[in-house]
Amino acid sequence: DTEVTQTPKHLVMGMTNKKSLKCEQHMGHRAMYWYKQKAKKPPELMFVYSYEKLSINESVPSRFSPECPNSSLLNLHLHALQPEDSALYLCASSRKMGASVGYDEQFFGPGTRLTVL
Amino acid sequence: AQKVTQAQTEISVVEKEDVTLDCVYETRDTTYYLFWYKQPPSGELVFLIRRNSFDEQNEISGRYSWNFQKSTSSFNFTITASQVVDSAVYFCALSEADNQGGKLIFGQGTELSVKP
Repeated sequence: DTEVTQTPKHLVMGMTNKKSLKCEQHMGHRAMYWYKQKAKKPPELMFVYSYEKLSINESVPSRFSPECPNSSLLNLHLHALQPEDSALYLCASSRKMGASVGYDEQFFGPGTRLTVL
Repeated sequence: AQKVTQAQTEISVVEKEDVTLDCVYETRDTTYYLFWYKQPPSGELVFLIRRNSFDEQNEISGRYSWNFQKSTSSFNFTITASQVVDSAVYFCALSEADNQGGKLIFGQGTELSVKP
């Protein structure tokens, strides 16, 4: 199994809603990532989890709250979003991370296309 | 400062033509990693290749080939005999060994359109 799955594929929410995006991988990867991608732009890193601990938060607003319940799952909880948060949200995973062991390629899921009304 | 430049925003070719996508990077690290990803209209980024800074060997995989030249800080990607299925946005990315977390620095992407 070499894929990263994400649910839902599409999500429409109002600014007062609370929703969650889910990501799952069964490749035994120990690093997981959330990216945000606007149209015609490259992905922007939001969060990195390494061995289920948050290791990077790229100054993301608190209305985005990540959670890593176990080594296979990564969630992104959304609350009080703004219309400008509408984007494609991509999850990725990699075997390991760290300068001493080199950086492995990241495998991406298909993304959740989020629209905030 | 680290940076990846993909100067070609859009390229349009006719099927069976060869096409080269350019990637120029900037880094102060001596140990770094370069990647190419393909993003078809479906949205998923597909990993194509990883190259570390100590390995300047060119690579060929089917119709795809990569030319890594440290002297010019370039990591160009050539598709031979392009096909309509090659139509996608292609991203070049850099990861530095000293950079925490293996953060990927992406270029702006090149949108390739292959017409029948």
